[in-house]
Amino acid sequence: GQNIDQPTEMTATEGAIVQINCTYQTSGFNGLFWYQQHAGEAPTFLSYNVLDGLEEKGRFSSFLSRSKGYSYLLLKELQMKDSASYLCAVVDSNYQLIWGAGTKLIIKP
Amino acid sequence: ETGVTQTPRHLVMGMTNKKSLKCEQHLGHNAMYWYKQSAKKPLELMFVYSLEERVENNSVPSRFSPECPNSSHLFLHLHTLQPEDSALYLCASSQGGGDRSNEKLFFGSGTQLSVL
Repeated sequence: GQNIDQPTEMTATEGAIVQINCTYQTSGFNGLFWYQQHAGEAPTFLSYNVLDGLEEKGRFSSFLSRSKGYSYLLLKELQMKDSASYLCAVVDSNYQLIWGAGTKLIIKP
Repeated sequence: ETGVTQTPRHLVMGMTNKKSLKCEQHLGHNAMYWYKQSAKKPLELMFVYSLEERVENNSVPSRFSPECPNSSHLFLHLHTLQPEDSALYLCASSQGGGDRSNEKLFFGSGTQLSVL
């Protein structure tokens, strides 16, 4: 079967750095997405990786290793507004999106 | 208004009721989706419409009935639901028709449904 694993919940301190991991086992790979979802709101697109390496976008970076079936989202200089759930999703060989259950990130002052 | 709009935001219904969820996108996209989001579970794809034609139906019970009258509007008609159908129902749209591998989704804020 296809599977995406992410930690259920993480806690970090304002101003710090946090890394949210995502491991996947899917039938084929055509890219990996990260979405952010604040409580009661719509998920919004953060990043897309299809090649190995690190993609940086302001305070957020996303890393992919296809050989290891692994990605992470790195959030720097954490702000209270970063408290949200972070969803990892992989595009499989049939162009279906396989979703993880999401990681709830709690930021403390 | 821009983006994807869903109404109502909250809905409480009994098991014998009939109700409909509405989604409207103002992005000029060709594909629209219904997802179910339950607490601590992955998003579950229910239906996909591309250019108003249903292209996916992921073994969803018949008590959920989608309708896509045009490329901007999507409905989910609900009847004789069960308590386990209580969840957040998200609508999304995407460009459609092109490279599906990097096609990002634009979501609405969802309808929080409670079935009593």
